[in-house]
Amino acid sequence: KQEVTQIPAALSVPEGENLVLNCSFTDSAIYNLQWFRQDPGKGLTSLLLIQSSQREQTSGRLNASLDKSSGRSTLYIAASQPGDSATYLCAVLMDSSYKLIFGSGTRLLVRP
Amino acid sequence: DAGITQSPRYKITETGRQVTLMCHQTWSHSYMFWYRQDLGHGLRLIYYSAAADITDKGEVPDGYVVSRSKTENFPLTLESATRSQTSVYFCASSADGMNYEQYFGPGTRLTVT
Repeated sequence: KQEVTQIPAALSVPEGENLVLNCSFTDSAIYNLQWFRQDPGKGLTSLLLIQSSQREQTSGRLNASLDKSSGRSTLYIAASQPGDSATYLCAVLMDSSYKLIFGSGTRLLVRP
Repeated sequence: DAGITQSPRYKITETGRQVTLMCHQTWSHSYMFWYRQDLGHGLRLIYYSAAADITDKGEVPDGYVVSRSKTENFPLTLESATRSQTSVYFCASSADGMNYEQYFGPGTRLTVT
């Protein structure tokens, strides 16, 4: 059974820092991996989607990498801002399945 | 450009009552999904639909019923609500089931008393 783990559960950094959020999964037979952000009381916003054949994806200050064989993905946020404060979730889509399996998230606070 | 909407946003109901949560998307996406989000369990898939009149169970389908008569709508019905169904419910849609992002609605916070 696929398990998705995100470490750390919470992170507090001063504004301007570059930071890395980690996501690991136990079964490497994934089709893709998606990173989301969730603001308190709100829905999920899709940030990046990495197909299993890709190594990384970039969008603005965000860069996500994927190492399928080792079961790991990282989300790199450059020059963090207070507006980046949110919970970040990773989710994997298994081969031959339409079901996203989510990690429990990393709660990020960027202090001004 | 409404995207994906859910109604109601908040609902309080009593144990044993039937309640329907609505989901509407304007993108004509083929795939639609229902998730619930609970502390300690994260997000879990309840049901999904690949097209109108095609639905299938997810991880936690017991106690829920779905239908999809039109591509843009995917209602979720709790036939006889229980306290364990108190949760935040999210609807999502995707252009296809595998290659494109899932886009989420704002959620419905349901409390069963």
